[in-house]
Amino acid sequence: DVKVTQSSRYLVKRTGEKVFLECVQDMDHENMFWYRQDPGLGLRLIYFSYDVKMKEKGDIPEGYSVSREKKERFSLILESASTNQTSMYLCASSVRDITYEQYFGPGTRLTVT
Amino acid sequence: KQEVTQIPAALSVPEGENLVLNCSFTDSAIYNLQWFRQDPGKGLTSLLLIQSSQREQTSGRLNASLDKSSGRSTLYIAASQPGDSATYLCAVMTTDSWGKLQFGAGTQVVVTP
Repeated sequence: DVKVTQSSRYLVKRTGEKVFLECVQDMDHENMFWYRQDPGLGLRLIYFSYDVKMKEKGDIPEGYSVSREKKERFSLILESASTNQTSMYLCASSVRDITYEQYFGPGTRLTVT
Repeated sequence: KQEVTQIPAALSVPEGENLVLNCSFTDSAIYNLQWFRQDPGKGLTSLLLIQSSQREQTSGRLNASLDKSSGRSTLYIAASQPGDSATYLCAVMTTDSWGKLQFGAGTQVVVTP
């Protein structure tokens, strides 16, 4: 069965803290994605990776960085958390075949105070 | 840039009625279209994926159609049940997107017993 896991369901951090969100997939997928979801704005792509050590900016990369040292793991880093980064963060992965079907993790609700 | 629209934003139907959810997109150069379901506070669950060469896909009570020339997809859910209450999102992958999806804002569905 397809599985994407995220390190935390809920996270509360203070302004200025460095925050790591971890995502792991067990499907040997090449592509991995980080989105944030906000009421009224929908899902927006932050970063994606199509291979180990490769990364590409999405629509809203400002204030974020990513790391992909192993194929199964994709980390999202908030270098200095701010209150406007309070959001639901969703990780997804997809295989690079004819479908590119994306599978999502359960999400991390991050609150920055 | 691809724009994806879902109308209506919210829908309430009595149990047993058929559900019809609409998705429109502006750029017909799509690779595929994916329908997702999201329960409150949770991640996305993939329901159906339609390749650009296909007209429809079916899974159980769900049927999704695709008309590329008019930029539309419709998700039909037959004989709705209270358990179908959720937000339904469509997402489009264009041919030059490297596997990235562009999401609509979703339709929130409530099925009343």
